[in-house]
Amino acid sequence: QKEVEQNSGPLSVPEGAIASLNCTYSDRGSQSFFWYRQYSGKSPELIMFIYSNGDKEDGRFTAQLNKASQYVSLLIRDSQPSDSATYLCAVSVGSNSGYALNFGKGTSLLVTP
Amino acid sequence: GAVVSQHPSRVICKSGTSVKIECRSLDFQATTMFWYRQFPKQSLMLMATSNEGSKATYEQGVEKDKFLINHASLTLSTLTVTSAHPEDSSFYICSAREDRANSPLHFGNGTRLTVT
Repeated sequence: QKEVEQNSGPLSVPEGAIASLNCTYSDRGSQSFFWYRQYSGKSPELIMFIYSNGDKEDGRFTAQLNKASQYVSLLIRDSQPSDSATYLCAVSVGSNSGYALNFGKGTSLLVTP
Repeated sequence: GAVVSQHPSRVICKSGTSVKIECRSLDFQATTMFWYRQFPKQSLMLMATSNEGSKATYEQGVEKDKFLINHASLTLSTLTVTSAHPEDSSFYICSAREDRANSPLHFGNGTRLTVT
């Protein structure tokens, strides 16, 4: 069983702070890594993806990947109350469109005003 | 960006009836589509992989005769929940990836199924 592990939270941060979300995965053959945000009752929406070791920045979001440690993280700078949601880490063992994503259980983030 | 459309968004049916859910990729062709299910406060669980022109691949524990999948064209996959029971009540979400390396999974808006 390919595992994707996340702390379920809730993670509570004050508005304007940095939220740090972590994810580990068990399959060393994993190639692509994704972060999705899911609001209650809605389907997931893509935040960003990463497939090379290091950092990738997109606006207030930074994804970090360390394949040796099998670890991927998401940093949210200047957190806003609207960022309050469940963040899902997803991993794909293949790079092409025929591979499904394996999801973690998600981390609930609460940004307090 | 890539758009996946799913219909209906919400359905309530009586136990024993069948429900069909449609999933369309609007601006790209999807040889493969994926059906996920999510119970309250749980993660997304892959049910099956839908393949255009061939049989779907079901995950362990998912009954293929109960959850019928038809991938009739490169832009349409359907999931039919046959003889639905209250325990089938869940959030069903279809998804697809564009045919390029490391493309992300794009999700439909999901279908909230309630079986009474």
